[in-house]
Amino acid sequence: GQNIDQPTEMTATEGAIVQINCTYQTSGFNGLFWYQQHAGEAPTFLSYNVLDGLEEKGRFSSFLSRSKGYSYLLLKELQMKDSASYLCAFVKYSGNTPLVFGKGTRLSVIA
Amino acid sequence: GAGVSQSPRYKVAKRGQDVALRCDPISGHVSLFWYQQALGQGPEFLTYFQNEAQLDKSGLPSDRFFAERPEGSVSTLKIQRTQQEDSAVYLCASSFQEGGAAPSYEQYFGPGTRLTVT
Repeated sequence: GQNIDQPTEMTATEGAIVQINCTYQTSGFNGLFWYQQHAGEAPTFLSYNVLDGLEEKGRFSSFLSRSKGYSYLLLKELQMKDSASYLCAFVKYSGNTPLVFGKGTRLSVIA
Repeated sequence: GAGVSQSPRYKVAKRGQDVALRCDPISGHVSLFWYQQALGQGPEFLTYFQNEAQLDKSGLPSDRFFAERPEGSVSTLKIQRTQQEDSAVYLCASSFQEGGAAPSYEQYFGPGTRLTVT
């Protein structure tokens, strides 16, 4: 079977750093995505990891360990606008194939 | 350029009615996906197309759900005899433009159609 797990909710302070973890089990794996979704809006792409290691993109970084079935999204210098749900998703097959999403982590950034 | 658009944005249906949800993908995108998102949950896969071919419909919850993409562009998700458990946001996403810059696996999502069945 397949499973993907991430915390339901997190709270962090403006200006701080937060790490959102994601673990997955699957028989097929071809990459790990992170999406951001503000309430009532479409998910928007943040990152895609297919190889082990850290990918940095501005204030956001994403890490993948394929052997451990583990990823995290790191958000630095948190801003109020970062309050949103963060969706972890893997793709089983190569090419443009369906994503398997976790339930999402709702992040609240407080002053 | 224009992103993925969906219509209607909101739909209220009485139980037993049929509904049709439309998705206009990004021009030139080959792949089109439909997902269902319940409140407070992540999106769940329903079906997807490559051009006009429906490659996987294993996520459709019942035979009341039907999707088509006859000309390989616009897609319609139809739900017959709606039930209360069909209430959700239906998201459409498209990806992969031939000749586009890598990576091309990113899926671009539309704003969704919020369906409420009363």
